[in-house]
Amino acid sequence: GAVVSQHPSWVICKSGTSVKIECRSLDFQATTMFWYRQFPKQSLMLMATSNEGSKATYEQGVEKDKFLINHASLTLSTLTVTSAHPEDSSFYICSGGPTSSYEQYFGPGTRLTVT
Amino acid sequence: DAKTTQPTSMDCAEGRAANLPCNHSTISGNEYVYWYRQIHSQGPQYIIHGLKNNETNEMASLIITEDRKSSTLILPHATLRDTAVYYCIVRPPNFGNEKLTFGTGTRLTIIP
Repeated sequence: GAVVSQHPSWVICKSGTSVKIECRSLDFQATTMFWYRQFPKQSLMLMATSNEGSKATYEQGVEKDKFLINHASLTLSTLTVTSAHPEDSSFYICSGGPTSSYEQYFGPGTRLTVT
Repeated sequence: DAKTTQPTSMDCAEGRAANLPCNHSTISGNEYVYWYRQIHSQGPQYIIHGLKNNETNEMASLIITEDRKSSTLILPHATLRDTAVYYCIVRPPNFGNEKLTFGTGTRLTIIP
């Protein structure tokens, strides 16, 4: 199946700093990618839809100025957590899939810890 | 998307078949049943999907009742590596560029 990578796999940052997470589709082009957040023992919650060449679409309750999404190419979407706080500590997962496929592929996730 | 109901957790002995149920009584005619699983600290993995016929692939089998109000995912010979949270999702045909909505899933533990 198709492969989606994320970098970094884990990151620790200090409160008030920003951190960028990259999501790459390695063997397909993705006009759309999705960003999820998952807190311990909870399910995945969709944060936003990343659209290549246009603005991201955010789910209700997700601050677009705090979670900056850039989809600059058909194989790369980035999520930047700005002015991070300890409550932003979570597991962030991206996904995407070829438009011709019924399957959607998920990245391995990035564990963010804000101290 | 139609709502699904799954047991919170299940145990299964290693080597036995694991049968994971899912209720989706409000499923619409054009909605498919998808199954994903998430092993601890990893991204979800696609398992299988179906509309109304039973489906089988190298990972699992999917049995959908005739009225389509429920389904069962079957892992024929469970191994310890099958320990994961299994998510049942119903929605229109899921092309790669459409979002997924995850419920709480079933935490399956394979017992040695």
